[in-house]
Amino acid sequence: SQKIEQNSEALNIQEGKTATLTCNYTNYSPAYLQWYRQDPGRGPVFLLLIRENEKEKRKERLKVTFDTTLKQSLFHITASQPADSATYLCALISGGYNKLIFGAGTRLAVHP
Amino acid sequence: EAQVTQNPRYLITVTGKKLTVTCSQNMNHEYMSWYRQDPGLGLRQIYYSMNVEVTDKGDVPEGYKVSRKEKRNFPLILESPSPNQTSLYFCASSRSDRYSYEQYFGPGTRLTVT
Repeated sequence: SQKIEQNSEALNIQEGKTATLTCNYTNYSPAYLQWYRQDPGRGPVFLLLIRENEKEKRKERLKVTFDTTLKQSLFHITASQPADSATYLCALISGGYNKLIFGAGTRLAVHP
Repeated sequence: EAQVTQNPRYLITVTGKKLTVTCSQNMNHEYMSWYRQDPGLGLRQIYYSMNVEVTDKGDVPEGYKVSRKEKRNFPLILESPSPNQTSLYFCASSRSDRYSYEQYFGPGTRLTVT
C-alpha cells in the first residue's frame, strides 16, 4: 500500500543547532515533493517544493533534499530559532491535478 | 490581501442536522480542495475541484458533498453529519501552473458532531 511516513515523535533541539526532519514514502513515484509549516490552530503554510530531477533546494535557512532512489526527503533548518517551533508536513504530488498526499507531520520544538 | 477564508471557524452540531462550511478565495485560483485533519492521520483530501463545475473525489469523500458554481467559492456540505465527521477541516486553493502546486490554506473549521 502507499504510505508517507514522518517521525511521529517530536524533535527537540537547542537554539542554533540544525534541525533535520525526515519524510519517507513507499509505492509512490512523485514528480514533486513539498514541505509545509503548520502552527497550532492554523492552516499549513507552503515552504518549499522540490522536483524529482532536483537533488537539493535551498531557501534562506531551509534546505530540502530529495532522493528518489531511497524514496526519502530530508528537511533541514540551520541556525534554528524558537520561532521555528511548529509542525512540519511533507506532501507528495500524486496523479496530477493538485492531488496532494500529506504525511502526518513532525513537531519541532526549538529550546532557547 | 491574498487569502482563503472559511466560515464558520467553529461549529458544534448534532447528528443528522445538515450543515455547510463555506470557502472563498480571492486569488483567481483554478484549483480548490477540502481536507480534514485528524490526530495521527494528517491531512486527507475529501474533494477537489479543477475549475467551475468540475469536481472529483479525494481519498475520504463519503458523507460529504461539494459544488463549484463560482470560481471563488467551494462550499463543503454535510447532508447528515455523524460523530465520525468530528474533525478540523481546511479549504485550500492553488493555481493551475503545474510547476507550482503551492496550496494556500484557509484558517480551518473545527467541527464537533454530537
